[in-house]
Amino acid sequence: EADIYQTPRYLVIGTGKKITLECSQTMGHDKMYWYQQDPGMELHLIHYSYGVNSTEKGDLSSESTVSRIRTEHFPLTLESARPSHTSQYLCASRTSGGSDTQYFGPGTRLTVL
Amino acid sequence: QKEVEQNSGPLSVPEGAIASLNCTYSDRGSQSFFWYRQYSGKSPELIMSIYSNGDKEDGRFTAQLNKASQYVSLLIRDSQPSDSATYLCAVRRNQAGTALIFGKGTTLSVSS
Repeated sequence: EADIYQTPRYLVIGTGKKITLECSQTMGHDKMYWYQQDPGMELHLIHYSYGVNSTEKGDLSSESTVSRIRTEHFPLTLESARPSHTSQYLCASRTSGGSDTQYFGPGTRLTVL
Repeated sequence: QKEVEQNSGPLSVPEGAIASLNCTYSDRGSQSFFWYRQYSGKSPELIMSIYSNGDKEDGRFTAQLNKASQYVSLLIRDSQPSDSATYLCAVRRNQAGTALIFGKGTTLSVSS
């Protein structure tokens, strides 16, 4: 079973607020990812990290930013939330060697009013 | 052309039947292929991974890969109502990239 956690699980917030979505994993995985998924749509990669102090933008343009100061922690921040940011945000991680399995956290469902 | 394509369905099968889910991908250099299951409102969970041409079986699930045709499929034997979910095909690009690219998913409905 994967040990990857996301908080909050649900967030309803007003336009213009700054928010941080938390993601932590206790598996020591060096690679971590953020995906965005709208209902009935595919997962889109928005950010990824290969290790501490490594962050890259994914395929889908996103106004969010990420940081990777510790191996286990990969938070995503929106400086000014807008209704267009309403979506499900999924964090995932995997190790570099051995198993190729990518594990997902439970997700954060964000609603911006 | 989307990088990973799946028929969105819904695919409806009776309990006990074989469900066949298909996926095509565009990057010929792709190395690794995965099937995830996603229940409504939940996060994806891995069912199968496959890396070489041919079949790979795990319980009621069989993954099939044909790199020449850029095609990967998932067969679910003896389908159960609990198999009703969206099945996501995911591809890992060539060695230069490590992120999974997902298809839109196929919704499977198994009726009892």
